[in-house]
Amino acid sequence: SAVISQKPSRDICQRGTSLTIQCQVDSQVTMMFWYRQQPGQSLTLIATANQGSEATYESGFVIDKFPISRPNLTFSTLTVSNMSPEDSSIYLCSVEAGTSGSISDTGELFFGEGSRLTVL
Amino acid sequence: GENVEQHPSTLSVQEGDSAVIKCTYSDSASNYFPWYKQELGKRPQLIIDIRSNVGEKKDQRIAVTLNKTAKHFSLHITETQPEDSAVYFCAANPWSSASKIIFGSGTRLSIRP
Repeated sequence: SAVISQKPSRDICQRGTSLTIQCQVDSQVTMMFWYRQQPGQSLTLIATANQGSEATYESGFVIDKFPISRPNLTFSTLTVSNMSPEDSSIYLCSVEAGTSGSISDTGELFFGEGSRLTVL
Repeated sequence: GENVEQHPSTLSVQEGDSAVIKCTYSDSASNYFPWYKQELGKRPQLIIDIRSNVGEKKDQRIAVTLNKTAKHFSLHITETQPEDSAVYFCAANPWSSASKIIFGSGTRLSIRP
């Protein structure tokens, strides 16, 4: 298993500002993922972050808007840049607990508690 | 890319009855299908999963079935209890990406006393 701590748990931000969300894992993991969950909606993958390489972004998400850092095997940050009210959402960090690089081997994604952002 | 569709979006059942949630996927090469439960204000948690070499898997009151030919899989909850009330998400792991999980739209399950 993996224990994930996310900070901040919630924040209220002004339009045009940026906010960085931190994700700390209690063990070394190969893959870290950032998801967005808008109110009452499903989880949408923003990007996959591997240590030592640039994050891989999903369609509809770009690095300039959501820059990601992955400096080591236990930590990652997601920045939401130049925020607008449409960015109001819960952002979740998740990890695949094994080191094989394949979710079908290890069988589980673990999620942080989420960071609830409200943009005014 | 992989697309996962889930229905119904809401489901209300009498306590003690069964609940069934259905999902379809588009990528025939997907090989891993987890189900996550998210209680209000909490993080999603894995409740059961199934791999493409298995047709059915059961864990106490929860079971999942997979039909690879039809590309659909289902979650069955029997003898429902109040604590089963939550949002349930199906998901698929596309073969093209070893660790990517694509989620369905979710089903809000309510258990009536």
